[in-house]
Amino acid sequence: AQRVTQPEKLLSVFKGAPVELKCNYSYSGSPELFWYVQYSRQRLQLLLRHISRESIKGFTADLNKGETSFHLKKPFAQEEDSAMYYCALQTGANNLFFGTGTRLTVIP
Amino acid sequence: GAGVSQSPSNKVTEKGKDVELRCDPISGHTALYWYRQSLGQGLEFLIYFQGNSAPDKSGLPSDRFSAERTGGSVSTLTIQRTQQEDSAVYLCASSSSLNRGAEQYFGPGTRLTVT
Repeated sequence: AQRVTQPEKLLSVFKGAPVELKCNYSYSGSPELFWYVQYSRQRLQLLLRHISRESIKGFTADLNKGETSFHLKKPFAQEEDSAMYYCALQTGANNLFFGTGTRLTVIP
Repeated sequence: GAGVSQSPSNKVTEKGKDVELRCDPISGHTALYWYRQSLGQGLEFLIYFQGNSAPDKSGLPSDRFSAERTGGSVSTLTIQRTQQEDSAVYLCASSSSLNRGAEQYFGPGTRLTVT
């Protein structure tokens, strides 16, 4: 069965410090992985996806199949990065399996 | 254009009553998804539609839950004989494609409280 684990419920970093939000997955097939973000009083939205190999708002995420991880990283955190971050796994059925989320707080 | 909309935004109901939650996807989006977010939990997949058909109903938690989609557009999620454990935020999302890696666009959610 598929599973997404985000071990940190809360993460606080100082502005300008590097940030890494951890995500591990369990899936027997070929995974498609996403990071979704929810800013305060806004709806859930896509941040980035593995398939696009993109960097959005300075964030990157690399799929490591050996470690079954898809950690989200940013070298210099900004205050506007404070939000709830969800890692998600898409299976062949196209629905998303989400982790429980990590609330990131960037301290000025 | 307009994003995904959901109504009502908040619903308080008594245990045992039926409720209907509505989702208006982005125009032209083929795929529509329902998720549930309970307190302290991640988002839990409920059901998805491809056009008007629902190939995967495996996420519906019980037979009290049902959903339909008509005209390839609006969808309603119905919960019969609501229980307190049904209290959650119900999110709807739509996507223009069923291709792997396609982005899902989320609505603002309906917060359901069962008293």
